[in-house]
Amino acid sequence: AQSVAQPEDQVNVAEGNPLTVKCTYSVSGNPYLFWYVQYPNRGLQFLLKYITGDNLVKGSYGFEAEFNKSQTSFHLKKPSALVSDSALYFCAVRDIRGMNRDDKIIFGKGTRLHILP
Amino acid sequence: EAGVAQSPRYKIIEKRQSVAFWCNPISGHATLYWYQQILGQGPKLLIQFQNNGVVDDSQLPKDRFSAERLKGVDSTLKIQPAKLEDSAVYLCASSSQYGTGEGNTIYFGEGSWLTVV
Repeated sequence: AQSVAQPEDQVNVAEGNPLTVKCTYSVSGNPYLFWYVQYPNRGLQFLLKYITGDNLVKGSYGFEAEFNKSQTSFHLKKPSALVSDSALYFCAVRDIRGMNRDDKIIFGKGTRLHILP
Repeated sequence: EAGVAQSPRYKIIEKRQSVAFWCNPISGHATLYWYQQILGQGPKLLIQFQNNGVVDDSQLPKDRFSAERLKGVDSTLKIQPAKLEDSAVYLCASSSQYGTGEGNTIYFGEGSWLTVV
């Protein structure tokens, strides 16, 4: 069964410093990987996704994520954090197992990111 | 492009009462999802529609929850009777493809926030 883990409930980073939000996954087939962000009282906003190709994926708001197959990880990164990046971040995985098969997207429990001014 | 529309945004009801949430997906999106997000947790899939057919409702508490998408466009999620543990955000989402479409992305609405007292 597919699963996704976000090992940190909360990450604190000083403004201007680089940030990393960790995500590891487990699938039986090939993974499609996603990052979403949720601001207070809002729905989830799509940030970026990995399908195939370059292991480094660039997304919205200056975020990027690195796919590492050997470590089954898909960590979210940003070179210089902003206070406005403070939010709840969700990693998600879709297990693609073949044509016309039901594929589900599974979300991690979320990591709260605090950027300190 | 208009996003996923949901209403109402906020609802407070007493236990044992009923409530209904409405969702209109992004135009042309064939797949519609209802997720439940309890505070401090990631979204959990309740039901997935492909056009007007149910693809997955394995985690829908069918004794009290029901959902329909009669014309394959908008959808309604109903809870009757509500319990205290149903207090959560109900997120509607949609995607343009089903199955092994190329990394089709799920787009979320702003959510319907339910408090059961």
